[in-house]
Amino acid sequence: NAGVMQNPRHLVRRRGQEARLRCSPMKGHSHVYWYRQLPEEGLKFMVYLQKENIIDESGMPKERFSAEFPKEGPSILRIQQVVRGDSAAYFCASSPNEGDRGYGYTFGSGTRLTVV
Amino acid sequence: AQRVTQPEKLLSVFKGAPVELKCNYSYSGSPELFWYVQYSRQRLQLLLRHISRESIKGFTADLNKGETSFHLKKPFAQEEDSAMYYCALWESGGSNYKLTFGKGTLLTVNP
Repeated sequence: NAGVMQNPRHLVRRRGQEARLRCSPMKGHSHVYWYRQLPEEGLKFMVYLQKENIIDESGMPKERFSAEFPKEGPSILRIQQVVRGDSAAYFCASSPNEGDRGYGYTFGSGTRLTVV
Repeated sequence: AQRVTQPEKLLSVFKGAPVELKCNYSYSGSPELFWYVQYSRQRLQLLLRHISRESIKGFTADLNKGETSFHLKKPFAQEEDSAMYYCALWESGGSNYKLTFGKGTLLTVNP
């Protein structure tokens, strides 16, 4: 089991460009979560998705940010028109179905976005 | 309202000394709590979860419902324990399941 796979590991974008971050959950996991870690800050919840559904996007900025988890393929976190303040580590995590509450998450290695 | 509080942003101890990383929570239901560890520039790893009452790498954590705490303890710290530690609360409501993390405590174990 390859675990939670995130790519790219590092992403550099110029201001105004788009950033696309990918996350493939662990095999058998149907829940995906995205978190942002700003320098010297803790983890901030962004969005929680299940296949083809956004369950909770209360942590997503209202503009420029979107997320999807299609029926086929990885989950995508998209940031349009990036600004320097978007520079951060973005972590994806997955968990099995909601019946296994005590499991917690498995995290990916993260994507470090740098906006220049 | 902040559901998970880690009051110490930084904690520094000497090798061999006891260490306690504090975590308090606020939750109306039956809490399920976790500790995650992040070594320098690596992914977050599950350290332990209260439901399994396990001890990992010498760390233990006891859920105290009266004090709403889940402090992480180790009797003798090692240099390799230096890392960022996050306490997390599993929240569920309807079909909404997610972990809420504290802001983390950076532990430095000095030689």
